[in-house]
Amino acid sequence: QQQVKQSPQSLIVQKGGISIINCAYENTAFDYFPWYQQFPGKGPALLIAIRPDVSEKKEGRFTISFNKSAKQFSLHIMDSQPGDSATYFCAASSGPGSARQLTFGSGTQLTVLP
Amino acid sequence: ETGVTQTPRHLVMGMTNKKSLKCEQHLGHNAMYWYKQSAKKPLELMFVYNFKEQTENNSVPSRFSPECPNSSHLFLHLHTLQPEDSALYLCASSQDRRQGREQYFGPGTRLTVT
Repeated sequence: QQQVKQSPQSLIVQKGGISIINCAYENTAFDYFPWYQQFPGKGPALLIAIRPDVSEKKEGRFTISFNKSAKQFSLHIMDSQPGDSATYFCAASSGPGSARQLTFGSGTQLTVLP
Repeated sequence: ETGVTQTPRHLVMGMTNKKSLKCEQHLGHNAMYWYKQSAKKPLELMFVYNFKEQTENNSVPSRFSPECPNSSHLFLHLHTLQPEDSALYLCASSQDRRQGREQYFGPGTRLTVT
């Protein structure tokens, strides 16, 4: 199974609140889990990433939590700001060196209200 | 110009037209990718080039024809498209296929087939 399932499809959060986006996967061969942020009219940009030997990674207000046994990982945005309003994609990477590729979730449209 | 650029940004074409999308990366990378992004769906990997050699074709219809003359440029030639081909076409690059975890995306070409 190469699919990565992402939820929710859309999320509305008040300014200052916590935004949480969840992803689940089946393929245990995945060994790298990035999150991408996409603003309207722009391509996705790498936001933060984690490897499965780590349970949590934090960069500023963004934190990835990773549960290897449950095959789930999530993005937490603390103190959410209107400027965080964007579409967020989780992804997972697998494959031997020459065939490595990313499998993306379907995206979550985040709106942070002022 | 920095990063990954794509031209044109918007394209409207009839089903009998022939057009080309262009991608250029200024990052010194050796792997380049074409993705199709449709609303509320995961990004779909179409083609991969590593050191100018096509290494992946994900069952893409022959009406899409990629070309990679060098590691910095990637084209997607379009002919006799269908309305369901309307989407955002994204180009990405990575250091090489082995480092394909970290991909850098261009802003995309919004294609409308009439």
